[in-house]
Amino acid sequence: DADVTQTPRNRITKTGKRIMLECSQTKGHDRMYWYRQDPGLGLRLIYYSFDVKDINKGEISDGYSVSRQAQAKFSLSLESAIPNQTALYFCATSDYREGGYTFGSGTRLTVV
Amino acid sequence: SQQGEEDPQALSIQEGENATMNCSYKTSINNLQWYRQNSGRGLVHLILIRSNEREKHSGRLRVTLDTSKKSSSLLITASRAADTASYFCATDAPGGSYIPTFGRGTSLIVHP
Repeated sequence: DADVTQTPRNRITKTGKRIMLECSQTKGHDRMYWYRQDPGLGLRLIYYSFDVKDINKGEISDGYSVSRQAQAKFSLSLESAIPNQTALYFCATSDYREGGYTFGSGTRLTVV
Repeated sequence: SQQGEEDPQALSIQEGENATMNCSYKTSINNLQWYRQNSGRGLVHLILIRSNEREKHSGRLRVTLDTSKKSSSLLITASRAADTASYFCATDAPGGSYIPTFGRGTSLIVHP
């Protein structure tokens, strides 16, 4: 099994719908992140969490919310999806003592 | 704004040649990381170099760091078609918050 698992892998949804992207990890890392990738723009941080009780906004948090249900689970929600949220979404984990991120395989989200 | 920026944006070489890509950043760092991303897939951590290190090797990869110039380079020797991917650098954020920010990547194509 992958260290960081994202579900679903692909999703097409309609404008205005609520959607949740899920992430689970077996690395035992405290820190988890959600990134968005758009062509030509690299990765941009949406939210991050340093432990279960810690949630922080990233560079582009508007229109998104997150929930850290457990050390191993970090979900991203789009409350009312809009077309410009069409992107590739990545979950990642890290251990600050080690440095470096472990990424999931991504969720390709299309909002029509 | 993004902390790390890769250069060039695109690089096309023949199999067997060396590939060099660069990363520049703007502020002090704790470490710098390089990642590879195959098309549409998650990022894979390649190598991390700390601010007190100048050079690091891993297989066919050689990373250098020049903190006085705020730059790093990634050299892939004897490139293979399988090295075709996008390469990203990430630097940890100032202030010790250990949140790497990513550049836009270098797209490397290695022709067989």
